[in-house]
Amino acid sequence: DQQVKQNSPSLSVQEGRISILNCDYTNSMFDYFLWYKKYPAEGPTFLISISSIKDKNEDGRFTVFLNKSAKHLSLHIVPSQPGDSAVYFCAASWRNNDMRFGAGTRLTVKP
Amino acid sequence: DVKVTQSSRYLVKRTGEKVFLECVQDMDHENMFWYRQDPGLGLRLIYFSYDVKMKEKGDIPEGYSVSREKKERFSLILESASTNQTSMYLCASRTSGPNEQFFGPGTRLTVL
Repeated sequence: DQQVKQNSPSLSVQEGRISILNCDYTNSMFDYFLWYKKYPAEGPTFLISISSIKDKNEDGRFTVFLNKSAKHLSLHIVPSQPGDSAVYFCAASWRNNDMRFGAGTRLTVKP
Repeated sequence: DVKVTQSSRYLVKRTGEKVFLECVQDMDHENMFWYRQDPGLGLRLIYFSYDVKMKEKGDIPEGYSVSREKKERFSLILESASTNQTSMYLCASRTSGPNEQFFGPGTRLTVL
């Protein structure tokens, strides 16, 4: 039973436009949420995170939104750049130890 | 510069062989993790360890075991490799508390 779900396997956007990646979770015990970016043949790298006590966190072009009542988070990338093309994983953790990942969304930013 | 290293980038083994995947981190992290990545399934947690000699099962521990004799090293063992264990294996570490995990580059294992 997958506790973190990314229902869109792929997303394609035009350079300069907004990319919105979505993630849903089922475990209400999750208290920390993260987004990772992964290029082929490399390990995932951390992008941005949010604690369950917040509903928004911003870092440059990247913003993560958390809606606890809907058990939903999203990553906004504005403006999107070709170098953002990668697989993006949503992750969630609780008890300061365990971490679960979604299936990933492949983002393609077209020039 | 923080680092998680994995012993091999690519590995080819035969069915029934015993396989060792090694992971070393130099950040003095308490927690270490093993995931496998498969298309459409994302990263699935196999085992994790929150201290030396401690281990906990993740979502898919069957067919795997782990060893953590030293804080910096976490090994994943496939006792008898099978073709359905062909996958990308990723090791990660993190310190305790709400913060990110650092990943190694991954080992692409093929079992023939």
